[in-house]
Amino acid sequence: SAVISQKPSRDICQRGTSLTIQCQVDSQVTMMFWYRQQPGQSLTLIATANQGSEATYESGFVIDKFPISRPNLTFSTLTVSNMSPEDSSIYLCSVEGTGGSRETQYFGPGTRLLVL
Amino acid sequence: SQKIEQNSEALNIQEGKTATLTCNYTNYSPAYLQWYRQDPGRGPVFLLLIRENEKEKRKERLKVTFDTTLKQSLFHITASQPADSATYLCALDLDSNYQLIWGAGTKLIIKP
Repeated sequence: SAVISQKPSRDICQRGTSLTIQCQVDSQVTMMFWYRQQPGQSLTLIATANQGSEATYESGFVIDKFPISRPNLTFSTLTVSNMSPEDSSIYLCSVEGTGGSRETQYFGPGTRLLVL
Repeated sequence: SQKIEQNSEALNIQEGKTATLTCNYTNYSPAYLQWYRQDPGRGPVFLLLIRENEKEKRKERLKVTFDTTLKQSLFHITASQPADSATYLCALDLDSNYQLIWGAGTKLIIKP
């Protein structure tokens, strides 16, 4: 399994500003995933970030709004740009399992974002 | 459209009894299905994975079944304990790229 940390754990932001969320993994992984989870809702995949290539975004999410960096095999950032109250949510990063467990995912603790 | 359904209402179970949670899906042919546990303020934690050619999987007090004909998975916790109280999520693989699609989860409450 992997140990994943996220920064910040929570934040309150003003409309129109941007927030960058960091995700750090204690081991090298190929695939990292960014999710959004609103209260009582399922996890919604924003994008998949592989090191050395552009992130792949899911329908409804665009790079201009959610730019992602993946500079190495242990780190990624997600920026929520030009925020509005609708962006208030929990943002989670996850990584694929290692070895024979690539199907499973290991999650960070999440970043709770409130946009006023 | 593709859909995963889990009971949206909380499930209240008396301590010591078996808790059974349901995950139904439509319009998928997943190669595998996974169950995760999520506690408030935390990310999901992987519990069990079951493949399409497996009918049942066990891990300690946990048991998962997978019926690809009914398009349903059942998740059982035997001898339930208050510490088992959490939200349980099921997830299916979307394609061969290890991407998962998630149910909304069922909140399980074990009463002492």
